[in-house]
Amino acid sequence: ETVLTQSPATLSLSPGERATLSCRASQSVSSDLAWYQQKPGQAPRLLIYNASNRATGIPARFSGSGSGTDFTLTISSLEPEDSAVYYCQQRRNWPPGATFGGGTKVEIK
Amino acid sequence: QVQLVESGGGVVQPGRSLRLSCAASGFTFSTYGMHWVRQAPGKGLEWVAVVSNSGGVTFYADSVKGQFTISRDNSKNTLHLQMDSLRPEDTAVYYCTKEGEGSPFSFDYWGQGTLVTVSS
Repeated sequence: ETVLTQSPATLSLSPGERATLSCRASQSVSSDLAWYQQKPGQAPRLLIYNASNRATGIPARFSGSGSGTDFTLTISSLEPEDSAVYYCQQRRNWPPGATFGGGTKVEIK
Repeated sequence: QVQLVESGGGVVQPGRSLRLSCAASGFTFSTYGMHWVRQAPGKGLEWVAVVSNSGGVTFYADSVKGQFTISRDNSKNTLHLQMDSLRPEDTAVYYCTKEGEGSPFSFDYWGQGTLVTVSS
C-alpha cells in the first residue's frame, strides 16, 4: 500500500501570503495524485487532479505540481475562505483502492 | 447537475448491521466506478470500498474486508454499502464518491455524507 505523508500538519498564514503544502508518497504514483479541500461540516471538494490539473470552478490561485513521489499544492495568495484542511490522495489501476494523506490544516491569521 | 445523496445512517449497537444507500443523478451512473470513503469524528479521510461501473469488480480496504459489501443497481442509479458486525471503530461519516471525469483516479463529486454511530 502506498502511504502518503503530508507536511506541515498546520500552516498559519496571513491573507495574501503564499501557502505551500507538501505530499510525499512512499513509492512512485506517477502523476496520479489529487488534492482536496475540506471545510468544517462539509464534504471534501476536488481541487487538483493528475497532480497539476485544476478541477472545474477552482480558482487560479490554486496550483499543483510534482510527479513520482513528491508533490506540492500552492495557494498563491491566501483568501480568508481558504481556511480548511487539505488532503492529498492517490489511486492506481491495481490495486484499485485509494489512500489519503493525513491532511494539512491551513489557518488564516 | 451531479448529485449524490446518501441515506441509511444512524445509531446502531455493536454487532448489528446497517445498509447505506447513495442516490445518484445528473450523470450517466453506469459509466463510472463508485466509492465509499469514511471519516471518523475529528479524523482524516479513509477510503473504504470501490465497485466498478458494471458492478462486476469490487475491492475493499483491509479494515472492512469480509465485513462490508459494496454493490450498485444501475437500473436505479443507486450505490449501496452493506455493513455487518459493526464495531465502535466503524463510527464515521460515510461519503459516496464518483470517479472523476478528468481522471478516474480522483473523486470529482461527493455526497453530503451520512453519519453512522456504533454504540451500545
